[in-house]
Amino acid sequence: DTGVSQNPRHKITKRGQNVTFRCDPISEHNRLYWYRQTLGQGPEFLTYFQNEAQLEKSRLLSDRFSAERPKGSFSTLEIQRTEQGDSAMYLCASSLGLAQETQYFGPGTRLLVL
Amino acid sequence: AQSVTQLGSHVSVSEGALVLLRCNYSSSVPPYLFWYVQYPNQGLQLLLKYTSAATLVKGINGFEAEFKKSETSFHLTKPSAHMSDAAEYFCAVSGTGGYQKVTFGTGTKLQVIP
Repeated sequence: DTGVSQNPRHKITKRGQNVTFRCDPISEHNRLYWYRQTLGQGPEFLTYFQNEAQLEKSRLLSDRFSAERPKGSFSTLEIQRTEQGDSAMYLCASSLGLAQETQYFGPGTRLLVL
Repeated sequence: AQSVTQLGSHVSVSEGALVLLRCNYSSSVPPYLFWYVQYPNQGLQLLLKYTSAATLVKGINGFEAEFKKSETSFHLTKPSAHMSDAAEYFCAVSGTGGYQKVTFGTGTKLQVIP
């Protein structure tokens, strides 16, 4: 069990640029989640995958955001035309998919939009 | 809809003193409750979870929490604080049965004074 990994760990970009983050979940985990965490706040749910199917999206996920999980393994989160308000820590978590599941979090990708 | 409220964004205790971090929840259905810890620039690590079994839940690193339905509380305690406990702690709630989104509180930063 190597845990959930996220790349890159840090990303600095200029406003208007596109960025893409990657999450590799724990290998046998069917569920994958993306959260956003801003300073002084707890993680806020963005979206959730069961295998390759994206089953829920938060209203926080504007049309500039898109997430994929091809083949039900790793996932990518893309932000198009970044804005300064997108600056945050983006956390990925995965879980087995059982009723009393625990979500295991990755270290996060910290995004700074200048 | 579910939510949690963490009382006190910052808590300071002396090394060796009791740690008490407060969490109250709101849920229209029987909840699952969680405490996570986050060290600087890291993801979240599960400390403990309540899943409708024993109301007193023991977790890692000597932490425990008690589910009190009458008070809608799930406070986190540790008898004796250690310097390594300095971190941010998040209370979280989800519904039960199948997939349920986890909603996090705003966090409490614990400072341990030597």
